[in-house]
This record gives sequence, structure tokens and C-alpha cells, in this order.
Amino acid sequence: QITLKESGPTLVKPTQTLTLTCTFSGFSLTTNEVGVGWIRQPPGKALEWLALIYWDDDKRYSPSLRSRLTITKDTSKNQVVLTMTNMDPVDTATYYCVYRRFEAALSYWGQGTLVTVSS
Amino acid sequence: DIVMTQTPLSLPVTPGEPASISCRSSQGLLESDDGDTYVDWYLQKPGQSPQLLIHTLSFRASGVPDRFSGSGSGTDFTLKISRVEAEDVGVYYCMQRIKFPLTFGGGTKVEIK
Repeated sequence: QITLKESGPTLVKPTQTLTLTCTFSGFSLTTNEVGVGWIRQPPGKALEWLALIYWDDDKRYSPSLRSRLTITKDTSKNQVVLTMTNMDPVDTATYYCVYRRFEAALSYWGQGTLVTVSS
Repeated sequence: DIVMTQTPLSLPVTPGEPASISCRSSQGLLESDDGDTYVDWYLQKPGQSPQLLIHTLSFRASGVPDRFSGSGSGTDFTLKISRVEAEDVGVYYCMQRIKFPLTFGGGTKVEIK
């Protein structure tokens, strides 16, 4: 059974760096074609894809946020970490981590974690 | 980026009646290598994470009732619910995955009349 869970701060100040951790079970990020990504959703708004990392360390980023994002994996801990620099109130959103098999659909989602950016 | 445009924004439905949501992409989503169309549909029920409903144009995800169906071609896609049930309320999103960045439609909120 595949599960993913996001963790991190619920409140960050403007200009700070956000670090979110996705801890997963039921699969390994050393398995061919497996990937873990991040999606966010501002309150009352649509979904936005942010980044994805694959078993072979191939990384993909949203072009509009590329300069602010870094995605890494720790296969020994079954974790994927997303960092986003220079946070702004418009980055207030629920952040989800997702499981993906190669080019397939996003078949499993975490419960999401709400991050508020405010001074 | 491929833009995904959904209509309508809001869809009041009567239980037992059919419902239909449209999604249009700014570029074709047919992958020539394998002949598959890389559009998926997700449902976000109130207070929940999104869940995969339909993948690769028309394939229902595991456990999804057969009242849900996906169709379309080229740049125009449709999600249909043959007979809406109360548990189907929420926001529906289409998503393209033929190329990065993955992009979603703006969502269609389905609510019971």
C-alpha cells in the first residue's frame, strides 16, 4: 500500500526559505521509473505542479518557479525534500506530494500540508 | 506551457441526471510513439486531497465507478458522469502530462442542486 505524508512548517515569514519533507512508504525511490513530485494549491484556487524527482535523480521543475526550487531525495529514509526560497504571501498554499510511475498519471497523493506565509 | 481550459466553472446537478465537463488543451495531447492521449481527470472532494479518476483519456482508475467515463481527441476532452450521485460533489480537474511542465485546468465545481 502506497502512502505519502508531507511535513514542514505551517507558518513562514516573507523572504524565508521553506523546507518540506515527503515521507513515503509502499515503494522505493530506487525502483526503476518511480518518481515523487510536489503540487500546490492556494486556498480556493487550482492545482499547480512544482517539481518532480525520479529514481535516477532526473529532476524536473516548473519553469516559472525554477530559480526558487530544489528537490532532493534520501532513499535511505524514503524521503523527498522540496525547498523553496524567498517565500512570499502568494506562496500560501496547501502543498501535496505525489507518486508517479515514469510518465503515468499522479496515482497517489499525500494528505497535503498548509503553509501560510505571513509576517 | 500547455494551457488547459475547463468549462463550466460551476455545474449544479440533479442526482440521477447526467453531467459533463469539458477540457480543452492549447496543444494536442496524443503521443505519437504509443498512440495514447495523455490527459487525466482528478476529483477533489471537499476537504480531501485530489484523487485520480480517469487516466490516459479514458481508463478508469482502480475502484472508480463505471458511471464515470472519459473521451475526446486532439485538444478537446470530456468527462461524463452517467448518473450523478451525492458523493460525486467536489472539484474536477483535467491535467496534461505529455510534456513538462505538467499543467492542470482551472477546475469545475460540481454541486447538487
